[in-house]
Amino acid sequence: EDKVVQSPLSLVVHEGDTVTLNCSYEVTNFRSLLWYKQEKKAPTFLFMLTSSGIEKKSGRLSSILDKKELFSILNITATQTGDSAVYLCAVKNYGGSQGNLIFGKGTKLSVKP
Amino acid sequence: SAVISQKPSRDICQRGTSLTIQCQVDSQVTMMFWYRQQPGQSLTLIATANQGSEATYESGFVIDKFPISRPNLTFSTLTVSNMSPEDSSIYLCSITPGPMSSYNEQFFGPGTRLTVL
Repeated sequence: EDKVVQSPLSLVVHEGDTVTLNCSYEVTNFRSLLWYKQEKKAPTFLFMLTSSGIEKKSGRLSSILDKKELFSILNITATQTGDSAVYLCAVKNYGGSQGNLIFGKGTKLSVKP
Repeated sequence: SAVISQKPSRDICQRGTSLTIQCQVDSQVTMMFWYRQQPGQSLTLIATANQGSEATYESGFVIDKFPISRPNLTFSTLTVSNMSPEDSSIYLCSITPGPMSSYNEQFFGPGTRLTVL
């Protein structure tokens, strides 16, 4: 059965800290891995990763994929209270529906002032 | 990127009634999908909304309970029929803007929070 596992499930840090969120996966016919930030209802797209070893960056956020070891990490440097959210990792494969993202349970990040 | 809107943003409904949720995109998109997120759970794909034909449902979801329309490339509706408290969830419209064959980023609408009493 295809699955995506995120760790930790929750994390509390202070402003200025650097955090690393983990996502491991076991899926058949891997296509891409996507990271989202969910604050209230809507997941906001962060990154899509398809190739190993190529870091994607956006401001203080960065992510990388390791297709050999089947995992990805999301780094947030110099965290701010506005980074508090649930971070979702999802994998898309070639099997099944085009839109079927297999989601992990998410990591709830709380950034204290 | 495309702007996705959903109506209503939230609703509280009585059991046994139905609610139709609308999803509007500001540009034509190839693929539109409907997801559900039950309380404390992650997102689950309900169905793919196919333009001009019947939706394709995932295992565990049926057309009688979740009828979907997609009359054109920018609009879709999801109806939650004969609701029960177990249908209380966030319902999300999602799109992939590019062609089906490419590595597509996937975006989500703002969501509809449904509470069934």
